[in-house]
Amino acid sequence: NAGVTQTPKFRILKIGQSMTLQCTQDMNHNYMYWYRQDPGMGLKLIYYSVGAGITDKGEVPNGYNVSRSTTEDFPLRLELAAPSQTSVYFCASKLRGAIMGEAQETQYFGPGTRLLVL
Amino acid sequence: QKEVEQDPGPLSVPEGAIVSLNCTYSNSAFQYFMWYRQYSRKGPELLMYTYSSGNKEDGRFTAQVDKSSKYISLFIRDSQPSDSATYLCATRPGSARQLTFGSGTQLTVLP
Repeated sequence: NAGVTQTPKFRILKIGQSMTLQCTQDMNHNYMYWYRQDPGMGLKLIYYSVGAGITDKGEVPNGYNVSRSTTEDFPLRLELAAPSQTSVYFCASKLRGAIMGEAQETQYFGPGTRLLVL
Repeated sequence: QKEVEQDPGPLSVPEGAIVSLNCTYSNSAFQYFMWYRQYSRKGPELLMYTYSSGNKEDGRFTAQVDKSSKYISLFIRDSQPSDSATYLCATRPGSARQLTFGSGTQLTVLP
């Protein structure tokens, strides 16, 4: 299994440009998440999805959009890039289980996308 | 006030030292507690998981949760240079689907 893959690894955007960050997982996980990580700030949740066709806002959704048409893919869209969106973006996925335990709690992260908006 | 506060570090220790990493939280509804380890320029990976209060030990790592004082700790015994990473505490209430992360503590273990 490849796990969680993200593309691109690095991107420079100009202010006002748009782009889509791609995320794919091959573990048949229901739950998927998008985080951003700023230096010294931990992980902030942008959006998450509990299954195909279902998405919900996290802590910092402004300026972003998501869709979940398949179980495997969860792209993140930036419509009008701003310098405040300069960050490292991580996608993660998690198994959905009826019984809570370590396997059901473990989020698997991708390698991240570094985005610089100038 | 942030829901989860983590000692910011950075922390630098000699090889073989005992390391203590700590978080405090404000929401008494938090039930699930985790420590993630993140190597430089990599995604985080789960290191320890604990449900409710108590201790959990896994090799050189021990996670402690004290719900009465809302305190989360990770201890690393006989620290190794390979333990050099950023450690993130994370928690959630039973009703939530998403985690709340601490800001992370960067640890360097010097050979």
